[in-house]
Amino acid sequence: QKEVEQNSGPLSVPEGAIASLNCTYSDRGSQSFFWYRQYSGKSPELIMFIYSNGDKEDGRFTAQLNKASQYVSLLIRDSQPSDSATYLCAVSPLYQKLVFGQGTRLTINP
Amino acid sequence: GAVVSQHPSRVICKSGTSVKIECRSLDFQATTMFWYRQFPKQSLMLMATSNEGSKATYEQGVEKDKFLINHASLTLSTLTVTSAHPEDSSFYICSAGGSGQGRYEQYFGPGTRLTVT
Repeated sequence: QKEVEQNSGPLSVPEGAIASLNCTYSDRGSQSFFWYRQYSGKSPELIMFIYSNGDKEDGRFTAQLNKASQYVSLLIRDSQPSDSATYLCAVSPLYQKLVFGQGTRLTINP
Repeated sequence: GAVVSQHPSRVICKSGTSVKIECRSLDFQATTMFWYRQFPKQSLMLMATSNEGSKATYEQGVEKDKFLINHASLTLSTLTVTSAHPEDSSFYICSAGGSGQGRYEQYFGPGTRLTVT
């Protein structure tokens, strides 16, 4: 079992709809959870981080964390074509390096 | 978020030569620097982890004599690809990690695209 698992996609969502990206992790000691966005040919860009159970909202993005079920998700409301990218979930035990999932490729269709 | 710079952004070199890539954390005290490599349409692959002032820890399968890493300060790490070959052509990305506000954070540089001819 991989430490951090994501559906590789591609995930296609119509413009204006909600895109839902999911991630599960195996290490119960994980403390920090991150979502990165990576456009083709570019390096990953941090878009959200979450440390506590529940929801965290930032603009059109909402991160959801459920430590009991060991999953973290990212919701993108009012999806735009510019949201088309690969989304990387990353998990970290306290003060340790990130463990990345393989990424989910998201395509927003106009 | 923190700013991490990389230089050069793009480099083309001849087979057999060495290339040095610099990674600077501009406004973040990076206790740890990471070097990743990414081939087209593939996931990030962690190559090595380095802590300031100590030797880098290389991932399995990464040749430490070929990929020399120096982490001289909390803000600067370098990766030198020695005797580069065409199969070393890839996108190299550094990342700076550290504790900000009591939590772990990690930020990526913009990457360096290496082409070996």
